[in-house]
Amino acid sequence: EVVLTQSPGTVYSSPGESATLSCKASQRVSSTYLAWYQQKAGQPPRLLIYGANKREAGVPDRFSGSGSGTDFTLTISRLEPEDFVMYYCQQYTSPSWTFGQGTRVDIK
Amino acid sequence: EVRLLESGGGLVQSGGSLRLSCSASGFAFRDSAMAWVRQSPGKGLEWVATVIGSGTKTNYADSMKGRFTISRDNSKNTLYLQVNSLRVDDTAIYYCARPERGGFDVWGQGTMVTVSS
Repeated sequence: EVVLTQSPGTVYSSPGESATLSCKASQRVSSTYLAWYQQKAGQPPRLLIYGANKREAGVPDRFSGSGSGTDFTLTISRLEPEDFVMYYCQQYTSPSWTFGQGTRVDIK
Repeated sequence: EVRLLESGGGLVQSGGSLRLSCSASGFAFRDSAMAWVRQSPGKGLEWVATVIGSGTKTNYADSMKGRFTISRDNSKNTLYLQVNSLRVDDTAIYYCARPERGGFDVWGQGTMVTVSS
């Protein structure tokens, strides 16, 4: 099973600034099957990025994904107040799906 | 509008069973693989199982094999999860979700399962 480790556990930033979230895999992951989610309290996760760097329809362009192999990054630019929530990475390597433990973006 | 609506959760004693349902609408259900993902209170996300569109092939997380059974009824646009021999650590919100483009692009609001000792 591929283990995803997200860091840091909490990233602190300010509205208007940026935040960089890391997701490291225990073995190589196909970029096609690396995704990022945003989750607000009391809601299901929302798909933000798929294929490592493709934004889902309706996702603002301040969200961007990058990386390959075992190291992937979600960057949130120009942070808005509603961006200060939880984020998860996820991978699929047949036949299993795994999620990282999450990174919280909090106000500095 | 694409929509998933779970039901069937509740409070159950350890050792009991539950069948969760997920009603789908707004897309070609029979053409879509479907999955269950759970989230324990205050914890992260955990994939449970996936079933292909025809229902003839399933996959389970290793920790879920044996007690969990995913199935579907395409005539009713409904996905199911049968959970037997429930344990306290099965307490979680159970979401149904649609795998697409390497991620899960549609999620239901979830159904809460609480297992008491």
